[in-house]
Amino acid sequence: EVQLLESGGGLVQPGGSRRLSCAASGFTFSSYAMSWVRQAPGKGLEWVSLISGSGGRTYYADSVKGRFTISRDSSKNTLYLQMNSLRAEDTAEYYCAKVEECGGDCYLPPENWGQGTLVTISS
Amino acid sequence: QSVLTQPPSASGTPGQRVTISCSGSSSNFGRNYAYWYQQLPGTAPKLLLYRNNQRPSGVPARFSGSKSGTSASLAISGLRSEDEADYYCAAWDDSLSGFVFGTGTKVTVL
Repeated sequence: EVQLLESGGGLVQPGGSRRLSCAASGFTFSSYAMSWVRQAPGKGLEWVSLISGSGGRTYYADSVKGRFTISRDSSKNTLYLQMNSLRAEDTAEYYCAKVEECGGDCYLPPENWGQGTLVTISS
Repeated sequence: QSVLTQPPSASGTPGQRVTISCSGSSSNFGRNYAYWYQQLPGTAPKLLLYRNNQRPSGVPARFSGSKSGTSASLAISGLRSEDEADYYCAAWDDSLSGFVFGTGTKVTVL
């Protein structure tokens, strides 16, 4: 059974940093791309970032490009999201998700999602 | 900003059929599969349909999907009270090099 467990959320001051983690189990971690998707309170889903199975390709939404960094550690079956220069509009539930690659720059939307970790940006 | 457009709400009485549309463009639905998610209050999204019309194990046959050109749709037949939830469409967008999600549709069972 695929399990994705996010951690690292909490209250952060504007301009601060936070690192989210997602522990994966139940599948061959290195064979799948991974993604972060967020949801602001009362709002819809917003894709944040994706990393290929090999870790060699990364993609970011314009809203976080230059501030967030996605990475993975296959020895620990763990996905990360380093978030810097945080803003109030980054307040959201952050979900990690398992993604299937379909060749080149082709990816299929997530089939499995974690339960999320809440990040609140406020002074 | 969502690239896929859905109606904000849909409703029906138990047993009725409800359809939700999702409008995209050539860079997403025009080239890639449509996926649908159901999100119950306070929970993570759950995959409802993949590759346009395929149901994961455990999803009732009441849920069906289709895609034509740059639009996709989700149909719920035999509406039940437990179907009250938010529904989102999604696809990979070749121009944005990222996933795009629909604006979301709240389904209410009257």
